[in-house]
Order: sequence, then C-alpha cells, then structure tokens
Amino acid sequence: QVQLVESGGGLVKPGGSLRLSCAASGFTFSDYYMSWFRQAPGKGLEWVSYIGSSGSTMYYADSVKGRFTISRDNAKNSLYLQMDSLRAEDTAVYYCARLGQLAAAGTTDYWGQGTLVTVSS
Amino acid sequence: DIQMTQSPSSLSASVGDRVTITCRASQGISNYLAWFQQKPGKAPKSLIYAASSLQSGVPSKFSGSGSGTDFTLTISSLQPEDFATYYCQQYNSYPPTFGPGTKVEIK
Repeated sequence: QVQLVESGGGLVKPGGSLRLSCAASGFTFSDYYMSWFRQAPGKGLEWVSYIGSSGSTMYYADSVKGRFTISRDNAKNSLYLQMDSLRAEDTAVYYCARLGQLAAAGTTDYWGQGTLVTVSS
Repeated sequence: DIQMTQSPSSLSASVGDRVTITCRASQGISNYLAWFQQKPGKAPKSLIYAASSLQSGVPSKFSGSGSGTDFTLTISSLQPEDFATYYCQQYNSYPPTFGPGTKVEIK
C-alpha cells in the first residue's frame, strides 16, 4: 500500500534552516509528481511546492519562493524540502503528498502523516 | 490567485442526516475541484477529484457535483466517522488554493 513518511521537523530559530524528508513506498516513486503542503496551528491547508516526476520541474508558493527548495532522489524513493531563512510564520505541520495520474492528475491522492516545524527563538 | 469560499463554515448534524457543503471559486475552474476530509490531529484524506470522481477506497455515501464556479459535497447518511473538517481545493491553475474548511459536528 502507498506510504509516505515525513521526518526532519523540529524547533528552529528564526533565520535558521531545516531539511524535511519524505520516504515513499508502495508505488513506483519515479512515476509520480510530488508536493509539499503545510498547515499552521489551527489554520487551513496551504500548498507549498510541487516537483515533477524527474525532478526537472518545480513550482513554489510566493510565500516560500527563494527560501525553500524542493528536490527528490528517485533512486532512494525520497522527497525533500530544504527550508532556509525560516520565519515564525513558517511554523506549521508539513505534509508530503502524491499527485494523482490520468483523470486525477493535478491533485493529491495520498498524504503523509505530517511533521511539525516550529520557528521560535 | 483563485479564491475559494465554503459555506457553511460549520454545521451540526445528527447520525443519519444528509449533509451538503458548498464551495465557490472566484473564477471558473471547469471541474478541477477536489474535496478532502481532515480529522483532528490527522493528515487530510483525499475524497473526490475532478469535482465528482471518488478517490479509490472512498465510500459511495460521498458525492460531489458542480462545474465552473459552484460545487457541492454531499454525505448521504452521516456516520460517526464522518465528523471532521472538509476542505475544497481548486487545481485549475497555480497556485492550487483551498477553501477555509467546513467543520461538521455532532448535534
């Protein structure tokens, strides 16, 4: 079955960096586009970034552009999010998600359990 | 960016009730509309894509409809496990955007 397991969250000071990982299993990782979303405490869902199946295409939300970098290692079935210059408003649970194919292309079909990032001094 | 709104923001319903949630886009998005369910402390779960197609494994008590700017999610007979927050999301254009959510509570 499809599994997505995030790791790497934690407490970091403003201006600091953190790298999130998402380990994928149960499907052919290299065939799928992947995405990161986040949810601030008590708030709604926000899309953060997207990466194509080969890793050559990436999109970012304006709120993280220039500070966050999405990448993937298809040999390791892993997705990453490098987060630099972190701000208090980046505090959230970060989810990795798989994008669907064919008729479901463009939206997510499976989500990980999330990892909490807290930016505070 | 395309703005998504949902109504109501919350509702109270009883087990067995039929529940309908409405989602509206600030501009036409064809049928590029998805619905998600989220329970407290849990990850979102994908329910519906392309406005009306059920994701694999999602029970048929969930149904979606609409096109253009107006969409609905219907739960035909509410069960205890359905009490959650429901979000719509447009994926017609980047950035993909979510509605603010509708919290379905037990009456």
